[in-house]
Amino acid sequence: AQRVTQPEKLLSVFKGAPVELKCNYSYSGSPELFWYVQYSRQRLQLLLRHISRESIKGFTADLNKGETSFHLKKPFAQEEDSAMYYCALRIQGAQKLVFGQGTRLTINP
Amino acid sequence: ETGVTQSPTHLIKTRGQQVTLRCSSQSGHNTVSWYQQALGQGPQFIFQYYREEENGRGNFPPRFSGLQFPNYSSELNVNALELDDSALYLCASSTRSGSSYNEQFFGPGTRLTVL
Repeated sequence: AQRVTQPEKLLSVFKGAPVELKCNYSYSGSPELFWYVQYSRQRLQLLLRHISRESIKGFTADLNKGETSFHLKKPFAQEEDSAMYYCALRIQGAQKLVFGQGTRLTINP
Repeated sequence: ETGVTQSPTHLIKTRGQQVTLRCSSQSGHNTVSWYQQALGQGPQFIFQYYREEENGRGNFPPRFSGLQFPNYSSELNVNALELDDSALYLCASSTRSGSSYNEQFFGPGTRLTVL
């Protein structure tokens, strides 16, 4: 069965410090991984996807198939990064997304 | 371009009742997915509709059903409501071309409370 695990429900760091939100997955097929973000009073929105290999708002994520991980990283946190972050796996050949339970990131001034 | 909209915003029902939630897709999108998000959890896939047909279903009982209309708007129906159905229900629309799917855009959700 497919599963996405985000081990930290809450993560708090100071502004300017590095941030790493952990995500591990379990899937027998070829995974397609995403990070979604939900800012306060806003809807869920796509932050980045592994196939794009891009940096969005300073965030990057590398798919490590050996460790079945897709951790989200940012070298210098900003206060506007405070939000709920969800890691998600798309099932091959389908539009179904399997989400982790989310990590609430708080950036302290 | 209009984003995904959902109605109503909030809803309170009692156990055993039936409920219908509505979703209007983003302009040009032909695929709609529904998710249930319980408090403190990530969204959980209920089902997806493409060209008015169910095209994938998660681990939800048959009392969860849906429809997609020719204009690609969609409804989620839940019969015989249970207390555990209390959750935020999210609709997401996207485009599908053959076997290729594009980004899902989420609506703001409908908060259902079952008493």
